[in-house]
Amino acid sequence: KAGVTQTPRYLIKTRGQQVTLSCSPISGHRSVSWYQQTPGQGLQFLFEYFSETQRNKGNFPGRFSGRQFSNSRSEMNVSTLELGDSALYLCASSWTRGINTEAFFGQGTRLTVV
Amino acid sequence: QKEVEQNSGPLSVPEGAIASLNCTYSDRGSQSFFWYRQYSGKSPELIMFIYSNGDKEDGRFTAQLNKASQYVSLLIRDSQPSDSATYLCAVNMRKGGSEKLVFGKGTKLTVNP
Repeated sequence: KAGVTQTPRYLIKTRGQQVTLSCSPISGHRSVSWYQQTPGQGLQFLFEYFSETQRNKGNFPGRFSGRQFSNSRSEMNVSTLELGDSALYLCASSWTRGINTEAFFGQGTRLTVV
Repeated sequence: QKEVEQNSGPLSVPEGAIASLNCTYSDRGSQSFFWYRQYSGKSPELIMFIYSNGDKEDGRFTAQLNKASQYVSLLIRDSQPSDSATYLCAVNMRKGGSEKLVFGKGTKLTVNP
């Protein structure tokens, strides 16, 4: 069974640009969550999508947005990039929603903003 | 108080020893708890989950949960150099109808041969 696939693995962007990251969940998983990981802040929750709807959202500015398609694949978009957006962006998939559902992570996209 | 707190370490133990990793959380209503292992440059990997008070064992790993004390721990017996990694505690928190997985900042473990 294939794991969670994130593309691209690495990105270098310039301040002010926008970027789109992609996440394909494990087959059969319907929930996709996105996280930002930085050395200073650790893993921080961005948002969760389930059945093409955003179900939960973390404390990030509106420049961070996402969507989910009918095949459960998800994209995350960051507009007007800032230097502080440099981070590892991870997505995690779960087969459903629920308080006791385990999440499995992809390899991440390393975004560098210069 | 931070939602999920862990000692950042580093925690250094000799090969074959027991490594003890601790985590406290702020939301008394939390019901599910996860331990992830993250090797340097890699993504987090789920190694244990626990929902009920008490101990849960899986091979060399034991998770312990005490909801009254809002405390969860991970014990690694017979530690191996390959266990050297950062261990992340995660708590599924539900507030106002929404829920999210909240992570601690992790404890870096080094197992010395």
